[in-house]
Amino acid sequence: QSVLTQPPSVSAAPGQKVTISCSGSSSNIGKNYVSWYQQFPGRAPKVLIYNDNERPSRIPDRFSGSKSGTSATLGITGLQSGDEADYYCLTWDVSLSVYVFGTGTKVSVL
Amino acid sequence: QLQLQESGPGLVRPSETLSLTCNVSGGTISSNDHYWGWIRQPPGKGLEWIATIYYIGSTFYNPSLQSRLTISADTSKNQFSLRPSSVTEADTAVYYCARDSTGMAANTWFDPWGPGILVTVSS
Repeated sequence: QSVLTQPPSVSAAPGQKVTISCSGSSSNIGKNYVSWYQQFPGRAPKVLIYNDNERPSRIPDRFSGSKSGTSATLGITGLQSGDEADYYCLTWDVSLSVYVFGTGTKVSVL
Repeated sequence: QLQLQESGPGLVRPSETLSLTCNVSGGTISSNDHYWGWIRQPPGKGLEWIATIYYIGSTFYNPSLQSRLTISADTSKNQFSLRPSSVTEADTAVYYCARDSTGMAANTWFDPWGPGILVTVSS
């Protein structure tokens, strides 16, 4: 059971925006940076966001990250069918001394 | 371009020791700036961090798995390895190796990742 909670699924029509929340605590998100990963079925995860809101150069600006207190959020604008995937947040938990991944969110394009 | 590739057995028997290797190409594991890690994903489930190593030998383990784990690095072969012992069916998973971008737990991320290797524990 992960200490980072994400909604199991989110969905929206093409072109719309979705947001994925990652809820933690003062021992993880409240103290450390968050990264976000995209994973297609049968493929390895790829980083979308690091240090809460920074994007690798190869990632389009449709993807954004933010954080407030003990929660982080991934936003995807201009939703495309190619965005259908699982998304995970990641941070360090100082109490457990472990990297923790969120429970994962499946994004569906209607 | 940095690339990682996992190798190891696809099937191991319960109670045995699993041996996984991550070969790194397009860069060196002897980088002062990066660490190297293992993450796993049981079929149909989420991701779990296992362990991280710095090339000179500093190691960090998931406390829930630490008693059964050994992570090591071979700079001459530009690879690092993971050896979980006394495996059970619960260790069945896709195992990924990845670069830990800073090794500083407060602000790191994993990138890139290897394609992963499915390891099944079964008698």
